[in-house]
Amino acid sequence: GQQVMQIPQYQHVQEGEDFTTYCNSSTTLSNIQWYKQRPGGHPVFLIQLVKSGEVKKQKRLTFQFGEAKKNSSLHITATQTTDVGTYFCAGGGNAGKSTFGDGTTLTVKP
Amino acid sequence: DAGVTQSPTHLIKTRGQQVTLRCSPKSGHDTVSWYQQALGQGPQFIFQYYEEEERQRGNFPDRFSGHQFPNYSSELNVNALLLGDSALYLCASRGGLGYNEQFFGPGTRLTVL
Repeated sequence: GQQVMQIPQYQHVQEGEDFTTYCNSSTTLSNIQWYKQRPGGHPVFLIQLVKSGEVKKQKRLTFQFGEAKKNSSLHITATQTTDVGTYFCAGGGNAGKSTFGDGTTLTVKP
Repeated sequence: DAGVTQSPTHLIKTRGQQVTLRCSPKSGHDTVSWYQQALGQGPQFIFQYYEEEERQRGNFPDRFSGHQFPNYSSELNVNALLLGDSALYLCASRGGLGYNEQFFGPGTRLTVL
């Protein structure tokens, strides 16, 4: 079945440093979503990418979808303490059956 | 506008028991998915309901079953609980089968002793 891998598992940064998490799928994805989960919270939808090579930005966050639609990345510029949490990618296969990676947990040292 | 709500918040059961978790989707949403999230892992898809029917199912045994009601709310039932069923159970709703943006509820923390 479809597998989605994320690296790194953990990332510790100093406030102001950049952060990147990578997502790789074993199969071609119809789309990919990114979620953020704060400690003790639930996943919150950030964005969805659909097109090959697509790049979207949300303030300090940049999301990319690979040309082959099998990988994606999330980059945060100049991290802040409010960025802490676990970032998940979820590959969309058949509508609704999203396969989540195990996430990258970001900690930010002030 | 109420988001996705789930009940109960926490639940403690013993092995072999049965449990029912409940979910009310976000207003205007008719599609509900259930996920199991073990500690330190990503959510694992259990199944999805639309028009009161199970439309998609993940790799979970038949002990996991569900239901969707005419008002789009949903239940997740787990029979013959195992210790390994301890997890956060998340409900997510979307505006229809063609929509991939999901809104998650706060989850139900199930502990099986």
